[in-house]
Amino acid sequence: AAGVIQSPRHLIKEKRETATLKCYPIPRHDTVYWYQQGPGQDPQFLISFYEKMQSDKGSIPDRFSAQQFSDYHSELNMSSLELGDSALYFCASSLVGRFEGGTGELFFGEGSRLTVL
Amino acid sequence: AQSVTQLDSQVPVFEEAPVELRCNYSSSVSVYLFWYVQYPNQGLQLLLKYLSGSTLVKGINGFEAEFNKSQTSFHLRKPSVHISDTAEYFCAVSAAGNQFYFGTGTSLTVIP
Repeated sequence: AAGVIQSPRHLIKEKRETATLKCYPIPRHDTVYWYQQGPGQDPQFLISFYEKMQSDKGSIPDRFSAQQFSDYHSELNMSSLELGDSALYFCASSLVGRFEGGTGELFFGEGSRLTVL
Repeated sequence: AQSVTQLDSQVPVFEEAPVELRCNYSSSVSVYLFWYVQYPNQGLQLLLKYLSGSTLVKGINGFEAEFNKSQTSFHLRKPSVHISDTAEYFCAVSAAGNQFYFGTGTSLTVIP
């Protein structure tokens, strides 16, 4: 079965540079989530999209932005990178189905590991 | 809104011993509950989930969890752990159409 695909898997950037992470959700899933997981920490919710519209916002810095495109893939753009942005970034997709009673179970990608030097 | 509390940040246990990882949640509406496992340097993998029906849920790798509505708990158990069970375990909650919330995780270390 198709899973959530993230790219790139590894990314190394310098401070103040820009990075873009991509996420391809499971087909027919209506919601995409982005999470940031620092070393030894639990995943922190950044932002989510439901049917291509931003649905919720967590602890996402102003330097970060995200969008979901017409083909449902999503991109997380990070600018003015800081050392503290080094983390594993997970994308997850789910079928929330607000009008169909979906469970919202999340299916995670393998993550994109960003290292800021 | 929903929230999840994992009461133990670290749980060491000897191989072949039983283990229980505790999870409590709070919510004003009916919820769905999940346990995810994260092995070192890997993504999160679903262990088991409670959506409705039987309160005892069985998952992969011999794990099970029991939904207790009166105590708002969803503790994870395994009767006999293996070295390969060493990982980070996350309890999570969602409600239909709403955001998904993680607990802070429990690090399970199985000692030979």
